[in-house]
Amino acid sequence: QLQLQESGPGLVKPSETLSLTCAVSGGSINNSIYYWGWIRQPPGKGLEWIGSIYYSGRTYYNPSLMSRVTISVDTSKNQFSLKLSSVTAADTAVYYCASLNRYSGTYHFDYWGQGTLVTVSS
Amino acid sequence: SYELTQPPSVSVAPGQTARITCSGDALPKQYAYWYQQKPGQAPVLVIYKDSERPSGIPERFSGSSSGTTVTLTISGVQAEDEADYYCQSADSSGHGVVFGGGTKLTVL
Repeated sequence: QLQLQESGPGLVKPSETLSLTCAVSGGSINNSIYYWGWIRQPPGKGLEWIGSIYYSGRTYYNPSLMSRVTISVDTSKNQFSLKLSSVTAADTAVYYCASLNRYSGTYHFDYWGQGTLVTVSS
Repeated sequence: SYELTQPPSVSVAPGQTARITCSGDALPKQYAYWYQQKPGQAPVLVIYKDSERPSGIPERFSGSSSGTTVTLTISGVQAEDEADYYCQSADSSGHGVVFGGGTKLTVL
């Protein structure tokens, strides 16, 4: 089964760019049934979808974050990445990467990383 | 932007039935999915395609759909079911993802 692992700085300064990478193991990121997604959860709050990417590089973003988000994929390393620019304290959250299963009409996240807390503070 | 609406909280006594609703205009056209999240853990899928149950999920978890509302039903609630539950669907384009605000299930 798939395993996903987020990595990146746990502390980012305001106005800077948050960068995270998700390493995928146990399967290929080229698997056509999957998109690969980023979801975040501010402390004590709900889940928010940030965006998703296909192995081809096609991306879909949350309209509320679209102006600040870039998601990319590196098939040679079996990983995908998130960049969120101009961060503020409101971007403090646990960031999850997950596999978005689109097989046979479904569209759900079936494997999740453990999540990584990113704090925006000077 | 498209939204899914859930009640913030639901309380139920052990052994009773809990029902958590999720409403959204696109739900007649898009499937709904349900996740259980316990403190400090990543969400776990408990229902997909409105009413299908993944392997390993207890039979007491079921899902249904009627018009613009989907419902997660937990029959014979157990203390271990206390958690936050989130519905999720696709937006009208079929490519974006939307989560409901989440419902905290308290087992009295």
